[in-house]
Amino acid sequence: AQSVTQLDSQVPVFEEAPVELRCNYSSSVSVYLFWYVQYPNQGLQLLLKYLSGSTLVKGINGFEAEFNKSQTSFHLRKPSVHISDTAEYFCAVSEKTSYDKVIFGPGTSLSVIP
Amino acid sequence: AAGVIQSPRHLIKEKRETATLKCYPIPRHDTVYWYQQGPGQDPQFLISFYEKMQSDKGSIPDRFSAQQFSDYHSELNMSSLELGDSALYFCASSPSEAGANVLTFGAGSRLTVL
Repeated sequence: AQSVTQLDSQVPVFEEAPVELRCNYSSSVSVYLFWYVQYPNQGLQLLLKYLSGSTLVKGINGFEAEFNKSQTSFHLRKPSVHISDTAEYFCAVSEKTSYDKVIFGPGTSLSVIP
Repeated sequence: AAGVIQSPRHLIKEKRETATLKCYPIPRHDTVYWYQQGPGQDPQFLISFYEKMQSDKGSIPDRFSAQQFSDYHSELNMSSLELGDSALYFCASSPSEAGANVLTFGAGSRLTVL
């Protein structure tokens, strides 16, 4: 069974500074990888996904992530954060099996400080 | 574009009562997933349906049941409610032909058990 680890439960960062949110996964088979964002009192919104091809994927709101198979990582990065990026970020994984469920990591709370 | 519709958005019940949550997937999405998110927790997979048949089962209590109907909408039925059932319940849908479970989430139904 697959699992997801997000080592940083909280990440404070100053506005306009760069940020990296770490994600590592474990699985015995090939996987799809996702980052979701959850703003306060809202649902989950897909930021970006890695299905195949280029290991560097770009998402919405200026975020990008890089899939590293050897390190089983899928870290999320943004070169310059805004106050509006304050939210909970979930890394998620799904095994490449049809109709398989998506498993979420514990989440990282990003707080952007003005 | 049409999104995943969940109802009700908020629900307050007493212990030992029953509750039913409804989910209307995006048109032509034939796979539906239910997740439970407790306060400060990551979303936990409960159950999924593909073409009206249960496709996978997660940490869903025996007191809960769910089904997918001919129009692809799904209902999550919860009986003998406990205080610990208070949570956000998300429904997500995806098209099976996409080749990957790229989930689109609804806004969630917040259940409060008193």
